[in-house]
Amino acid sequence: RKEVEQDPGPFNVPEGATVAFNCTYSNSASQSFFWYRQDCRKEPKLLMSVYSSGNEDGRFTAQLNRASQYISLLIRDSKLSDSATYLCVVNEFDSGNEKLTFGTGTRLTIIP
Amino acid sequence: DTAVSQTPKYLVTQMGNDKSIKCEQNLGHDTMYWYKQDSKKFLKIMFSYNNKELIINETVPNRFSPKSPDKAHLNLHINSLELGDSAVYFCASSLRETTEAFFGQGTRLTVV
Repeated sequence: RKEVEQDPGPFNVPEGATVAFNCTYSNSASQSFFWYRQDCRKEPKLLMSVYSSGNEDGRFTAQLNRASQYISLLIRDSKLSDSATYLCVVNEFDSGNEKLTFGTGTRLTIIP
Repeated sequence: DTAVSQTPKYLVTQMGNDKSIKCEQNLGHDTMYWYKQDSKKFLKIMFSYNNKELIINETVPNRFSPKSPDKAHLNLHINSLELGDSAVYFCASSLRETTEAFFGQGTRLTVV
């Protein structure tokens, strides 16, 4: 089982719609969670951290469900500029060290 | 000012050659990384350094040798390049091992 799993998509969504992505992780001891965004041929950039109580940043809402070991990202009123690949990131333990592990990403295309 | 900068941006080279990629961060971070993103866009950690000390070494061929002369620099040297080494290599840094990572623009390596 992969450490961090995401639906690869692609998700093709009309402008203005709401879209949600889920991501599951395998290590119940993981403590840090993030959503990153990667545009085509660019580097990944932090979109938002995910906190236990859930958090919102404008049109973006992130949730964490520790019991079921998944995090989610909700995008409301989607814009053309939201088209990108969204990467779920979780800290993992490796021989006593922690590292950030990236999911394979979910590709989102917003259609005019 | 670029926070994490890596050079070169593009690298085309023949099989069997040796090449280096340089990375520098001016964020004052303690931890630096090398990630590899293959043709399927999967981003996988290769190495992690904390204060010039190697922390994580994933199952990477020993043809890949990272070097950290100081905590602001992490270079990657690759010996005897193979076709399968073609990928985008990202340098990143973070304050600690589990805080958000900031990425360089990537080095697109093509081995012919």
